[in-house]
Amino acid sequence: GAVVSQHPSRVICKSGTSVKIECRSLDFQATTMFWYRQFPKQSLMLMATSNEGSKATYEQGVEKDKFLINHASLTLSTLTVTSAHPEDSSFYICSAMGLAGSISYNEQFFGPGTRLTVL
Amino acid sequence: GNSVTQMEGPVTLSEEAFLTINCTYTATGYPSLFWYVQYPGEGLQLLLKATKADDKGSNKGFEATYRKETTSFHLEKGSVQVSDSAVYFCALSVGNKLVFGAGTILRVKS
Repeated sequence: GAVVSQHPSRVICKSGTSVKIECRSLDFQATTMFWYRQFPKQSLMLMATSNEGSKATYEQGVEKDKFLINHASLTLSTLTVTSAHPEDSSFYICSAMGLAGSISYNEQFFGPGTRLTVL
Repeated sequence: GNSVTQMEGPVTLSEEAFLTINCTYTATGYPSLFWYVQYPGEGLQLLLKATKADDKGSNKGFEATYRKETTSFHLEKGSVQVSDSAVYFCALSVGNKLVFGAGTILRVKS
């Protein structure tokens, strides 16, 4: 099956610093990747959609200058939280859809998530 | 707008009990409907889906039927196991975008 990994699984940083989270598709080419944010006991909220080689499309209310998304290759997307503050503490989840040879994956495959804590 | 409402948890059941997790939706157009499961420490996995009215999705003993008249997609299983303990998310898709419910924690006791 299609596997998506995220790194790191947990990160703690000081307020004002930037944090980069990686999302990788391990056995398929991720033509589209999605980034979600999940608050405790709440739903996943879509932050942005990115297609390989293109700029990300951000959902309404998501600051694109704060949450920088790069999807430079078919297997890697990164989310950088710039000048992080305690209110950015959350669980960040990525997903991907794409191709493996002649097989087209029309469903999203999810990474295990990254827990960000900003002190 | 598009939204999904699912029953609050946690739901605690004994092994072999019958499970129902309610899910209703609001959507413009004709969405596809999904149930995802998240086991501890793992990413979300697609459990089942239905793409049009009256379709029934099923997998691993779980079932859900797309009911357009009641805008519902309730998840059911006849006999739960301890290994079914997880968080269950109902979701709809419009195009490639998924809209999730808040998730329901299921705990199954032996």
